[in-house]
Amino acid sequence: QVQLVQSGAEVKKPGASVKVSCKASGYTFSDYYLYWVRQAPGQGLEWLGWIDPNSGDKKYALKFQGRVTMTRDTSIGTAYMELGRLRSDDTAVYFCARVPSSYSPMDVWGQGTTVTVSS
Amino acid sequence: DVQMTQSPSSLSASVGDRVTITCRASQSVSNYLNWYQQKPGKPPKVLIYTASNLQSGVPSRFSGSGSGTDFTLTISSLQPEDFATYYCQQSYDNPTFGQGTKLESK
Repeated sequence: QVQLVQSGAEVKKPGASVKVSCKASGYTFSDYYLYWVRQAPGQGLEWLGWIDPNSGDKKYALKFQGRVTMTRDTSIGTAYMELGRLRSDDTAVYFCARVPSSYSPMDVWGQGTTVTVSS
Repeated sequence: DVQMTQSPSSLSASVGDRVTITCRASQSVSNYLNWYQQKPGKPPKVLIYTASNLQSGVPSRFSGSGSGTDFTLTISSLQPEDFATYYCQQSYDNPTFGQGTKLESK
């Protein structure tokens, strides 16, 4: 079945970086964009950016430019999101989600990765 | 960025009720408006895409309408499994979400 499986929970200190993986299965990895969305505790959903696994093209939300890097390894069907210079307000659940094309909804989601930033 | 505003922020209803949630965009998003349901500890699940199209596998009691800046999600007869938080999201530009509507049991 189509699924996205993310890496496990992380605890990081302020100023550090975190790298979250998202492994796709059950579909052709390069045929769908991968979006990254986060959700702080008790809060709403916030888009960080997307990567096109086919071309490697990416687009980041203005808020995260300079701190976020999205990459992919097509040989293993996995996308990565690295967020640097972590602050306490980066504590959130980070999701990857599949998007068929521009204007499409996020139709398949990973289970989420909890990132806790604490000294 | 396009700002999305949902109302109400929370809603109490009973099984069998008809429920309506609204979403307003700060500028026209054409019909590129999606609705998601999220339950605690789970990722969101798409219910409606491009304003009025029912995602495969989603019960027909869910429906969506609207275009431009004003959109509505309707649940025709609320079921116990529908108590959750609902989000709208525009996919016309860089994605943005409404703040969510928490649907609780009365």
